Amino acid sequence: TQLLEQSPQFLSIQEGENLTVYCNSSSVFSSLQWYRQEPGEGPVLLVTVVTGGEVKKLKRLTFQFGDARKDSSLHITAAQPGDTGLYLCAGNNYGQNFVFGPGTRLSVLP
Amino acid sequence: NAGVMQNPRHLVRRRGQEARLRCSPMKGHSHVYWYRQLPEEGLKFMVYLQKENIIDESGMPKERFSAEFPKEGPSILRIQQVVRGDSAAYFCASSPLDRSTYGYTFGSGTRLTVV
Repeated sequence: TQLLEQSPQFLSIQEGENLTVYCNSSSVFSSLQWYRQEPGEGPVLLVTVVTGGEVKKLKRLTFQFGDARKDSSLHITAAQPGDTGLYLCAGNNYGQNFVFGPGTRLSVLP
Repeated sequence: NAGVMQNPRHLVRRRGQEARLRCSPMKGHSHVYWYRQLPEEGLKFMVYLQKENIIDESGMPKERFSAEFPKEGPSILRIQQVVRGDSAAYFCASSPLDRSTYGYTFGSGTRLTVV
């Protein structure tokens, strides 16, 4: 069974600060996704990474896929209250179901 | 331009009743996945369906739970004789391809409360 771990579990920061959250596994994934989930809503896909070492930017968010495709990080620059939410990583291998991590719950205080 | 539509958004059932959760995938998507989320936890895979076929139900409890995706109409997740432990948020997702490498589109979920 493939498992994903995420750290930290909770993170509370002030508006304008930078932060990084992590997603780790002992398994190799062919692709990895990051989702953000707001209270009362379903997860919304932010990005998909498929190549080891790949870096993708989405405005103030930077996503990196580890060289060995076992881990990923999400860095947010100058966090805003609108970034508050549960950040989930999910990985899959070809033909397999997505496995989700437990998430990092981010709170950005104004 | 509708996304994945789930209803009802909230469902309250007494122990022993049946719960029916509905999911209409995005237009053009023929692959549907059901996940369950407990408070403070990530999403746990339950079942993957295509039209009229269950492809993978490895995450679904063997008893009381069933799912279908008929040729016409929404996908249905059915829980018979609900118990308190079934209380959770149930999310449906869809994709245009088989277990798409590029991720899923999720609905807003159905929050089931068993009293």
